[in-house]
Amino acid sequence: GAVVSQHPSRVICKSGTSVKIECRSLDFQATTMFWYRQFPKQSLMLMATSNEGSKATYEQGVEKDKFLINHASLTLSTLTVTSAHPEDSSFYICSASRGGFKNTEAFFGQGTRLTVV
Amino acid sequence: GENVEQHPSTLSVQEGDSAVIKCTYSDSASNYFPWYKQELGKRPQLIIDIRSNVGEKKDQRIAVTLNKTAKHFSLHITETQPEDSAVYFCAASREAAGNKLTFGGGTRVLVKP
Repeated sequence: GAVVSQHPSRVICKSGTSVKIECRSLDFQATTMFWYRQFPKQSLMLMATSNEGSKATYEQGVEKDKFLINHASLTLSTLTVTSAHPEDSSFYICSASRGGFKNTEAFFGQGTRLTVV
Repeated sequence: GENVEQHPSTLSVQEGDSAVIKCTYSDSASNYFPWYKQELGKRPQLIIDIRSNVGEKKDQRIAVTLNKTAKHFSLHITETQPEDSAVYFCAASREAAGNKLTFGGGTRVLVKP
């Protein structure tokens, strides 16, 4: 399978600060990556679609100014949580697919547990 | 948009018994249905998937069935083992949409020795 690496795996930040999370496809190029958020004992909720070289597409209810997404290259997407508050504490996880017909398996990063204090 | 419902939310089975998890989806254009296993604090891992041109797929103790007409699909785990204990998620997507997955709510499976 393909490898998607996410960094950091855990981060604790103070309220009001910003945190950047990186998602890298290590052995394939990904024109599209996806960012999910997962609360404890809940499902993965899609936040946004990250598109290489263009603006991200956000799901309804997700604040684009709070969750900044940059997909600067075919192997890297970043999610920045700006002015973080305790309610932003969650497990954030990215995914990417190789693309093309029958290459639809989504490979997930290891996730980032964000705690805002 | 797509909506995926998953049942049951929790499932407790005796080791060696079978476990069945069911999902329904709303978007008739969805054509790819993966199942993921997630252990606590870990990333989801694909365990099996099925495309809409197939009605059933099996991989050792795991099988998935798809009923396109009824828009539901199911995961079957036979001869369950304690290491099958985890949270299982179904998902649906349109392959043409770059694999934007919509997940079901998850099923917490506990296999009792």
